[in-house]
Amino acid sequence: SQTIHQWPATLVQPVGSPLSLECTVEGTSNPNLYWYRQAAGRGLQLLFYSVGIGQISSEVPQNLSASRPQDRQFILSSKKLLLSDSGFYLCAWRVGIAIGNEQYFGPGTRLTVT
Amino acid sequence: QQQVKQSPQSLIVQKGGIPIINCAYENTAFDYFPWYQQFPGKGPALLIAIRPDVSEKKEGRFTISFNKSAKQFSLHIMDSQPGDSATYFCAASNPETSGSRLTFGEGTQLTVNP
Repeated sequence: SQTIHQWPATLVQPVGSPLSLECTVEGTSNPNLYWYRQAAGRGLQLLFYSVGIGQISSEVPQNLSASRPQDRQFILSSKKLLLSDSGFYLCAWRVGIAIGNEQYFGPGTRLTVT
Repeated sequence: QQQVKQSPQSLIVQKGGIPIINCAYENTAFDYFPWYQQFPGKGPALLIAIRPDVSEKKEGRFTISFNKSAKQFSLHIMDSQPGDSATYFCAASNPETSGSRLTFGEGTQLTVNP
């Protein structure tokens, strides 16, 4: 069966520090991968998505970046964190683009920028 | 046109009641409509999904009703329980978009009182 992992689970970082969040998927090949951010009590904001290794599309301009160095690995990074980067970061995966191919979320990383 | 409008923002029902959450969309290219359930501090979990060629789908106590002509769909929770208290998101998928991204509603916070 497929599983998705995110780490770390929680992170407290000072303003201006770098960031690296990692997401890995097991049990599937060539998934579409997504990074979302969720502010407290708010909806899901799509940040980046990837349809293949090295292919990254950005939805929202910001000081974050994403990379996909391997088929089932998706990394979210920042060189200098801002207070506004605080939130709940969710990785998700989906296989293919056919109708009914479900999208599954990981457990999330709670980031607090101080 | 890519928006999905969800209502109400919050909902309180008594145990055994039938909460109904509604979503509306404009883009007729949407072809897949999932619902997600999210508990505090957890990633959203896929609950149930429907395709536009079906008017209703049931899974356990959860039912999706779909009205293609009105471009609306709704989630009904039969015999609601306190354990159903969570945030619910509707979503829609457009196969014409790169990465087959989901467009999410803003979420409904459901509270089921004992």
